[in-house]
Amino acid sequence: AQSVTQPDIHITVSEGASLELRCNYSYGATPYLFWYVQSPGQGLQLLLKYFSGDTLVQGIKGFEAEFKRSQSSFNLRKPSVHWSDAAEYFCAVAKPLDSNYQLIWGAGTKLIIKP
Amino acid sequence: EPEVTQTPSHQVTQMGQEVILRCVPISNHLYFYWYRQILGQKVEFLVSFYNNEISEKSEIFDDQFSVERPDGSNFTLKIRSTKLEDSAMYFCASSAGTGIPYEQYFGPGTRLTVT
Repeated sequence: AQSVTQPDIHITVSEGASLELRCNYSYGATPYLFWYVQSPGQGLQLLLKYFSGDTLVQGIKGFEAEFKRSQSSFNLRKPSVHWSDAAEYFCAVAKPLDSNYQLIWGAGTKLIIKP
Repeated sequence: EPEVTQTPSHQVTQMGQEVILRCVPISNHLYFYWYRQILGQKVEFLVSFYNNEISEKSEIFDDQFSVERPDGSNFTLKIRSTKLEDSAMYFCASSAGTGIPYEQYFGPGTRLTVT
């Protein structure tokens, strides 16, 4: 069965420092992978997605993620975080259904930014 | 930018009562979804809806749950007789098409508290 693991419940980084959020997935075929962000009081916003092709995916807000099949990972990175990046980040994999797909979610990683 | 909206943001109800959670999907979207997140747990798929009928549902979505698109704009989730374990954040989502490439856009969620 498909599953997603985000090993870090929360991560604290200093403003301006680099960031990497870990995501590991379990899926038998080629996965379709997503990163969403949820800021307080906001909905889940898509940061980026991987379907196929280039394994380094660029997203919004300066984020990128790299798909590594050998490690079953899809880690999210940002070279320099801003205070506005403080939020909860969710990794997800798409599980195909008969006529659509559902998202299988990780537990989320809360990002805390130190001034 | 168009967005999915949900009302209310927080609903408190007593066990056994019926609740209706409301969502206004993005106006030209055709596919609608409900997910929920119990506090401290992962986001879980509940149901998808297309062409005025349920297209997929999870095992969580039992006879106590129903969905409806009563008019051209609203998409509702009804829980007939709430239980304590229904306390969760409920997210509505919509997409323009079906299948992997179509992004699911999420609302900010309704926090349901059953006492």
